[in-house]
Amino acid sequence: DAMVIQNPRYQVTQFGKPVTLSCSQTLNHNVMYWYQQKSSQAPKLLFHYYDKDFNNEADTPDNFQSRRPNTSFCFLDIRSPGLGDAAMYLCATSRVRGMGTEAFFGQGTRLTVV
Amino acid sequence: GQQLNQSPQSMFIQEGEDVSMNCTSSSIFNTWLWYKQDPGEGPVLLIALYKAGELTSNGRLTAQFGITRKDSFLNISASIPSDVGIYFCAGDTPTFGNEKLTFGTGTRLTIIP
Repeated sequence: DAMVIQNPRYQVTQFGKPVTLSCSQTLNHNVMYWYQQKSSQAPKLLFHYYDKDFNNEADTPDNFQSRRPNTSFCFLDIRSPGLGDAAMYLCATSRVRGMGTEAFFGQGTRLTVV
Repeated sequence: GQQLNQSPQSMFIQEGEDVSMNCTSSSIFNTWLWYKQDPGEGPVLLIALYKAGELTSNGRLTAQFGITRKDSFLNISASIPSDVGIYFCAGDTPTFGNEKLTFGTGTRLTIIP
């Protein structure tokens, strides 16, 4: 059974039209992450939550926002998508295990901007 | 910031061959993780390493956490068609309240018929 679920799997949006991607988890993990992955590249961390504490990466554009209303859910909001924002968006969760952290990923949402 | 260099970038092998790939870091990690990603899917965790020098196996996969804590390797023995995909290493230096992973650049594995 899927433990990190992303919806939708595929999202098409118009240039400049706000879009929201969602992620839910059944693992009760403390940490939730959003990554952006472009073709043939490594996932790039946008931001993450440790419980309710939000941590933004320094190079994440202001166009990207996130919400975590409760432990299970996390949302990625793109306020004004540009063509360069077309990518796979990956949600992941982890529970800190003392000296190490395993992260588990959802299947991703492929965002197309037209 | 931390950087992870993964090599090789791509590998073309025949079914049945063994595979080896590695990651090196400019700084120390507390955890090394190896993921496999199929096209259009999220990365799937293969092996997690938590201690310097640790050697861990998962079926035909073996990975080691380097003694210096700045490197790790992944070996795949007797490759099969379903091994095709992109393999990523990832490192974690957990700082309480700021846990996050840094990913390597990936190794694309292709099996030649």
